[in-house]
Order: sequence, then structure tokens, then C-alpha cells
Amino acid sequence: DIVMTQSPDSLAVSLGERATIDCKSSQSVLYRSNNKNFLAWYQQKPGQPPKLLISWASTRESGVPDRFSGSGSGTDFTLTISSLQAEDVAVYYCQQYYTTPITFGQGTRLELK
Amino acid sequence: QVQLVESGGGVVQPGRSLTLSCAASGLAFSSYAMHWVRQAPGKGLEWVALSSSDGSNQFYADSVKGRFTISRDNSKNTVYLIMHSLRAEDTAVYFCARGKFSYMDVWGKGATVTVSS
Repeated sequence: DIVMTQSPDSLAVSLGERATIDCKSSQSVLYRSNNKNFLAWYQQKPGQPPKLLISWASTRESGVPDRFSGSGSGTDFTLTISSLQAEDVAVYYCQQYYTTPITFGQGTRLELK
Repeated sequence: QVQLVESGGGVVQPGRSLTLSCAASGLAFSSYAMHWVRQAPGKGLEWVALSSSDGSNQFYADSVKGRFTISRDNSKNTVYLIMHSLRAEDTAVYFCARGKFSYMDVWGKGATVTVSS
């Protein structure tokens, strides 16, 4: 199984500041035939289902603010929130869909400082 | 507007069975794979099962293989999770989600399953 490890487990950032969450996979999730990384990012707020933010490591979903961006390739990925807003307080998960079993990172709790 | 609505959750004794349903609307249901993902209280997300769009292929997490079955009825726009031999560790909120290349782009609100004597 591909193990997804996020860091840090929790993060406190001031309003307007940058937040960075890392995700590392135990093996590459880059499919070389199409040069796509099978990596997604989700946001989950308390009492709500997860919301897809980014697929293919860097493709933002329609309606997701452009302060959210994804980067990385192979085994190392990053979710960046360029200017934190109050509504961004949530738990963030990375997920690999390169192979089954599909696996998620343990989650990173983002709070306001 | 795409909507997924889970039902069938509840309290069940260890060793018993339970079936969850997920009714879809606002999408061409038979064109999409469907997932079940669960979240134990206070814990992270755990993928449970995946059904291909036509129901011919199913994939499972090791933790539920042999006990859970995912099935779908495309004429009813519904996907099911049939759970047997339930254990305390199966206690969770169960989400159904639309699959797009095996990531999940639309989620239901979830159904709570509690396994307890």
C-alpha cells in the first residue's frame, strides 16, 4: 500500500499569512505515460463532508479560490494557501489515487494564530 | 445540482449486518464510479470501497474485504454498501462520493454507523 504522510499534523497561521502543508508518498504517484501525478487535496470543516480542492497535484477545482495552490511531483507535494482567510480554518487531507487501495494522509489541522 | 444522500445508518450489535444506501441525483449516474469513504470519530478519512460505473469491478480496503460489498443499481441511481460481521472498529460516519479518475469530486453528507452491544 502507498502510505501518505502529511506534515505538520497541525499548523497555526495568522490571517493574511501563508500556510504550507506538505504531503509525502511512500512511492511515486507519477504516471509516466501521461506525466500526471495522481494526487488530490481535500478540505474538511467540522461537521461537513470533505471538499475537493485540487486534483492531479495542481489542478484547482472550479470555484476554489486562487489563494489555494498545489505543487510537487513524484513523491513530494505541497498545498499552499497564499493569504489565509478565517474560512480556511479546517483539516486538510492529501490522497493518492494512483492505485488501490486508495490512501489518505492523516490530515493537517489548520488554525488561526 | 449534483446531490448524494446516504441513508441506512444506525446502531447495530457486533457481528450483525447493515446496508447503507446512497441515492444520487443531478448526474449521469451510470457514467461514474462511486466510492464509500469512512471517518471514525475524531479520526481521519479511510477509503472503504470503489465500484466501477457499470458495477462490474469492485475494489476494497483490506480492513473490510470479505465482510463488505459495494453494489449499485444504475436504474435507481443508487449505490449500496452491504456490511456483514460488523465490529466496533467499523463505527464511523460513512460517506458516499462520486468518483472521477478515482478521486472524489462530490460527497454526500454521510451516514453514521455505530457498532455497539
